[in-house]
Amino acid sequence: GAVVSQHPSRVICKSGTSVKIECRSLDFQATTMFWYRQFPKQSLMLMATSNEGSKATYEQGVEKDKFLINHASLTLSTLTVTSAHPEDSSFYICSANVRGGPYEQYFGPGTRLTVT
Amino acid sequence: EDQVTQSPEALRLQEGESSSLNCSYTVSGLRGLFWYRQDPGKGPEFLFTLYSAGEEKEKERLKATLTKKESFLHITAPKPEDSATYLCAVQADDYKLSFGAGTTVTVRA
Repeated sequence: GAVVSQHPSRVICKSGTSVKIECRSLDFQATTMFWYRQFPKQSLMLMATSNEGSKATYEQGVEKDKFLINHASLTLSTLTVTSAHPEDSSFYICSANVRGGPYEQYFGPGTRLTVT
Repeated sequence: EDQVTQSPEALRLQEGESSSLNCSYTVSGLRGLFWYRQDPGKGPEFLFTLYSAGEEKEKERLKATLTKKESFLHITAPKPEDSATYLCAVQADDYKLSFGAGTTVTVRA
C-alpha cells in the first residue's frame, strides 16, 4: 500500500517551454501532497505544499508563477515548470500523506528534468 | 529553524560489518523523526517513523532508535543490497519534513 507514481520519469525540453509533471497516489487518498527538488549529491528541498482544492503554499525563494501547482483531486497533483531554463534542470520528487492515516510521507519515484 | 545533521557523510563497510549512522536534530515541536532509504535516481523509500524518545523500530537488518537530540540507524551484518543513501528527516507541527544531507552507505562483498 501507499504507492505514489510520477509521470514522466524523464523529460528533456527546450529552454522557454513548459513542462508538466503528474503525481498520483495510487491506492490511497492524499490529504496533502508535497513537491521537492533535489540537486546532485544534495538532499531534498521542499518547494511547496498543496492541499486538494486550495492554493499551494510555497517555500521562501520558490517562484509561484514559475512552478505552478494544481491539486485537482485527492489522488492527483501536478507541477508545471513554466518557461523552463537550464537552471531548472533537476530531480523533482513528490510525496503524499495518507488521508486520515499517520503522518508519514510516501514518495514518488521522481522526475528527471533536463532543460537544453 | 529546524536543523538536521547526519554523520558520517559516507560509510564504506565490508559485508557483515555492523555500523551505525547518526542523525542529530533541533526542532520546535517534534511530531516525528523519519528514516528513508534512497537509491540513485529514485525517490526515497520509507523505512521508519519514531515519535518519542526511547522508541525503537526494526526492519530486517535495520534498527532505528530515538533520543531527545538524536537518532541512530544501526545496520547489523549488512549485505551489498543495503548500499544506498539513508536520509533522516524531522517533522514539526506544520507537517513539513526537514531533511538531513544523508549518509551514503557502500557495502562491499
